[in-house]
Amino acid sequence: AQKITQTQPGMFVQEKEAVTLDCTYDTSDPSYGLFWYKQPSSGEMIFLIYQGSYDQQNATEGRYSLNFQKARKSANLVISASQLGDSAMYFCAMREANFGNEKLTFGTGTRLTIIP
Amino acid sequence: DGGITQSPKYLFRKEGQNVTLSCEQNLNHDAMYWYRQDPGQGLRLIYYSQIVNDFQKGDIAEGYSVSREKKESFPLTVTSAQKNPTAFYLCASSMRGVNTEAFFGQGTRLTVV
Repeated sequence: AQKITQTQPGMFVQEKEAVTLDCTYDTSDPSYGLFWYKQPSSGEMIFLIYQGSYDQQNATEGRYSLNFQKARKSANLVISASQLGDSAMYFCAMREANFGNEKLTFGTGTRLTIIP
Repeated sequence: DGGITQSPKYLFRKEGQNVTLSCEQNLNHDAMYWYRQDPGQGLRLIYYSQIVNDFQKGDIAEGYSVSREKKESFPLTVTSAQKNPTAFYLCASSMRGVNTEAFFGQGTRLTVV
């Protein structure tokens, strides 16, 4: 079974609009972390935001926020006021505590294109 | 400057040859990871290591081997048993713990000719 599911292969969004990228995860481990990364066409991986399984509030980092719904096992990334430079691949990832054997698993990604 | 370095950036290999991809970090991280990325695809975990002299298979370990003799280094060997090795390979490192982000190298693009 997929640990991380990103159901949107591609999205097109008008510049300055907000966009939500979906991510659902599957784990029975009570301790885990959720991460979002951005990958521009250059191939580098840029860390955006983190949410812990025990965090009570949604994480925010500048224009990025994470809509964490634990009961639904959902960790959607929200980008406010999108910019042309936001065009990239976006990956959701999860690290489970797994008794110290901490595996970091990624989803298949969403390709976001910002339209001027 | 602290960081994680992968070399080479581009690598060409003839069929039937083994090739080793280098990954070095000076961030004092315990955990290191190798991922494979195919065009338009996500990152698939090949091997990972939480500590020196110990490593675990990821989801697609067949045809690959690793070693972790030093904390700073986690080389990946793509063997001739790997049927379709042409891909983009990313190495990452992190501190232990579920709440620490992973830092990535710039990647190695391997092409079998």
